[in-house]
Amino acid sequence: EIVLTQSPATLSLSPGERATLSCRASQSVSSYLVWYQQKPGQAPRLLIYDASNRATGIPARFSGSGSGTDFTLTISSLEPEDFAVYYCQQRSNWPPWTFGQGTKVEIK
Amino acid sequence: QLLESGGGLVQPGGSLRLSCAASGFTFSSYTMSWVRQAPGKGLEWVSAISGSGGSAYYADSVKGRFTFSRDNSKNTVYLQMNSLRAEDTAVYYCAKDMWERTFSGAFDIWGQGTMVTVSS
Repeated sequence: EIVLTQSPATLSLSPGERATLSCRASQSVSSYLVWYQQKPGQAPRLLIYDASNRATGIPARFSGSGSGTDFTLTISSLEPEDFAVYYCQQRSNWPPWTFGQGTKVEIK
Repeated sequence: QLLESGGGLVQPGGSLRLSCAASGFTFSSYTMSWVRQAPGKGLEWVSAISGSGGSAYYADSVKGRFTFSRDNSKNTVYLQMNSLRAEDTAVYYCAKDMWERTFSGAFDIWGQGTMVTVSS
């Protein structure tokens, strides 16, 4: 089973600032890495698939990069609606597909 | 759109069946999954089923206790959960695979979730 480790656990930033979230895999997942956003009381929302492809309707301020074991989700300029928890997930080796433990982006 | 139902309170060792009704896409063309989230915790993939229903896969934590099925005539998937344990307590989401006719593991549509509580 591939373990995904996200860092930091919490990111405290102000609107307009840049957010950089990390996800590290215990073994290579090639580019098969997905990012989701989850707000309190809501289902997860697909943001990025295959490391760097934005899903339909996702604003351009969200970008993903990386391959192999190290991945980054960047939010170029935080909007008020971006404060949420972000999960990475690998779809390379399964079953099971596995998720990271999440990074909470909170208002500073 | 996906709409789950069937959650509730059940005693340890009991059973529950979750349903997820789909609309707005060609249901039988897509693999479906269940993903759960324990209170205050992260996401855990539980099970996936092919578009035809002929193949299903499970996380080790539920293998032998949960059964994933689908009725394409009703655009609905089901998760039969038996021998429930306290650690099964979670919000259960059904999720649609992003691409047709493949187990891709990228989920582009999620239901709102249904809460399952296992407690005496």
